[in-house]
Amino acid sequence: DVKVTQSSRYLVKRTGEKVFLECVQDMDHENMFWYRQDPGLGLRLIYFSYDVKMKEKGDIPEGYSVSREKKERFSLILESASTNQTSMYLCASLSGQGGDEQFFGPGTRLTVL
Amino acid sequence: GEDVEQSLFLSVREGDSSVINCTYTDSSSTYLYWYKQEPGAGLQLLTYIFSNMDMKQDQRLTVLLNKKDKHLSLRIADTQTGDSAIYFCAVAFMNRDDKIIFGKGTRLHILP
Repeated sequence: DVKVTQSSRYLVKRTGEKVFLECVQDMDHENMFWYRQDPGLGLRLIYFSYDVKMKEKGDIPEGYSVSREKKERFSLILESASTNQTSMYLCASLSGQGGDEQFFGPGTRLTVL
Repeated sequence: GEDVEQSLFLSVREGDSSVINCTYTDSSSTYLYWYKQEPGAGLQLLTYIFSNMDMKQDQRLTVLLNKKDKHLSLRIADTQTGDSAIYFCAVAFMNRDDKIIFGKGTRLHILP
């Protein structure tokens, strides 16, 4: 009964590497989100997408980009990973109706060495 | 101040009621959510309320909304050890294109 999946649970990369985090949802939702979660800072929105090929910056987009080529898939890209991007990354999806549940993926814990 | 604020920690004895509070700054709220995150797990939606409601009850959970004061609370009756988690308040703001803004989370600690 998995609804939102993320490509990796744990990832270790080196500074300067290009990193792709993939998220797939099977609920035909229009809206998808990428957050990062850091101790004491809660969840912070990086980017979101409300339709295929559409994207909007969230609160902390610097150092990240995204891609939404298909409705079910939303990718987060770190062009050149840095140590301050070590974090837990959470993907979520939401239908077009605001009152519906926002489903979260299990998270990817990324460590940048 | 922050768009959505909540205290970082709450300690409650088993069997007592827990009340987790949340305040927000923008009056254009539409939907307001409470999420629970247990250690090593993702976020789980507990309940939500639409901004034209002032109360919603679901078993042991009661959500109260005071829109005038921009204050949302979650009450957990008869708190159990399984309620130990981080609780996130989240608010969708119409003035921010319905983006959902999260608080930093309140860690609920259950005393035996």
